[in-house]
Amino acid sequence: GAVVSQHPSWVICKSGTSVKIECRSLDFQATTMFWYRQFPKQSLMLMATSNEGSKATYEQGVEKDKFLINHASLTLSTLTVTSAHPEDSSFYICSASNPGRHSGNTIYFGEGSWLTVV
Amino acid sequence: AQSVAQPEDQVNVAEGNPLTVKCTYSVSGNPYLFWYVQYPNRGLQFLLKYITGDNLVKGSYGFEAEFNKSQTSFHLKKPSALVSDSALYFCAVTQGQAGTALIFGKGTTLSVSS
Repeated sequence: GAVVSQHPSWVICKSGTSVKIECRSLDFQATTMFWYRQFPKQSLMLMATSNEGSKATYEQGVEKDKFLINHASLTLSTLTVTSAHPEDSSFYICSASNPGRHSGNTIYFGEGSWLTVV
Repeated sequence: AQSVAQPEDQVNVAEGNPLTVKCTYSVSGNPYLFWYVQYPNRGLQFLLKYITGDNLVKGSYGFEAEFNKSQTSFHLKKPSALVSDSALYFCAVTQGQAGTALIFGKGTTLSVSS
């Protein structure tokens, strides 16, 4: 089946530094990728929708200058948390959509990336 | 706007008993409905989805869900719960338009006791 890979699975960084998280679709071309954020024991909150070759669409309240999203190819989207602060510590999950391949707008999720800012 | 409601924060059942995790949705147009399970510190695992066709959908690990359009519900069920089913369950909805994001419910923690 389709697989979405995230890297790194966990990262610890110092406050003020930037960290990049990659999301790859391994066996299909993902025209659209989504980035979610999840706090412990809470739901997934959609941060942004990333379309290949165009600017990401951010949800209300998400700082686009802080959470930089790049979708340079049909198999890779990256989320860069710039000037990270402890409140950015969270579980970040990406998902990828390939509506043309499977029926019903199937969406696949990565394993998530734990970010801890110290 | 789309929304999903999972009215129960936690569901407790004994092993071997049937389980139900509730979900209701609100969406304009035809809904695509999903159930995912999340184990601690892990990503989401797909369980099942409703797109069209039979209202009763069968998925992974013996789970099934019934789409009820009049009640706008999509409850997750399993005839006989296992301890290993204990996890966090999310219901999600999207419209039929390709490339739209899933909107998630707040999640329900299922605890199965032996």
